[in-house]
Amino acid sequence: EDKVVQSPLSLVVHEGDTVTLNCSYEVTNFRSLLWYKQEKKAPTFLFMLTSSGIEKKSGRLSSILDKKELFSILNITATQTGDSAIYLCAANSGYALNFGKGTSLLVTP
Amino acid sequence: NAGVTQTPKFQVLKTGQSMTLQCAQDMNHNSMYWYRQDPGMGLRLIYYSASEGTTDKGEVPNGYNVSRLNKREFSLRLESAAPSQTSVYFCASSGGTGDQPQHFGDGTRLSIL
Repeated sequence: EDKVVQSPLSLVVHEGDTVTLNCSYEVTNFRSLLWYKQEKKAPTFLFMLTSSGIEKKSGRLSSILDKKELFSILNITATQTGDSAIYLCAANSGYALNFGKGTSLLVTP
Repeated sequence: NAGVTQTPKFQVLKTGQSMTLQCAQDMNHNSMYWYRQDPGMGLRLIYYSASEGTTDKGEVPNGYNVSRLNKREFSLRLESAAPSQTSVYFCASSGGTGDQPQHFGDGTRLSIL
């Protein structure tokens, strides 16, 4: 059975802290690993990772994939209150996304 | 720049009623998807359409039907709503399966009494 596990499930940090969110996966026919940010409405796309060891970066956010150990991390540096959201990890097995339950991040002033 | 548009945004139904959730995308995407999101469960796939003219079941299809009306539109129908179908429903689209990210609509919050 395909599964995606995220940890921690929730996290509270202070503004300026650096956080690391984890995602492990076991899916058949793995194609890619995606990260989304969900605030009040639609999940918004952050990164798609297909190759091991190649970091993708966007501003203070970065992510990397390890296809041998079957996990990915999402790093957020110098966190801001606007980073407060649920971060979703999903593994693409060819036709659809298998989502983890998400990590709820709260950044306090 | 609409992207994926879902209607309605909110709906309350009584058990046994039927309704159709509408989804349209303007990105010329081939693939479209319906998910439900429940507390503690993450997003789960109900149905998907890899291309116009095809539909397939996802992880939780029972109680639902779908129609891929054309390339732009993909609707989800509840024939006889049950309280267990109370959820937030998201439609998504992508350029193709596997190698393209999915883009989501803002969701429909559905309550079944």
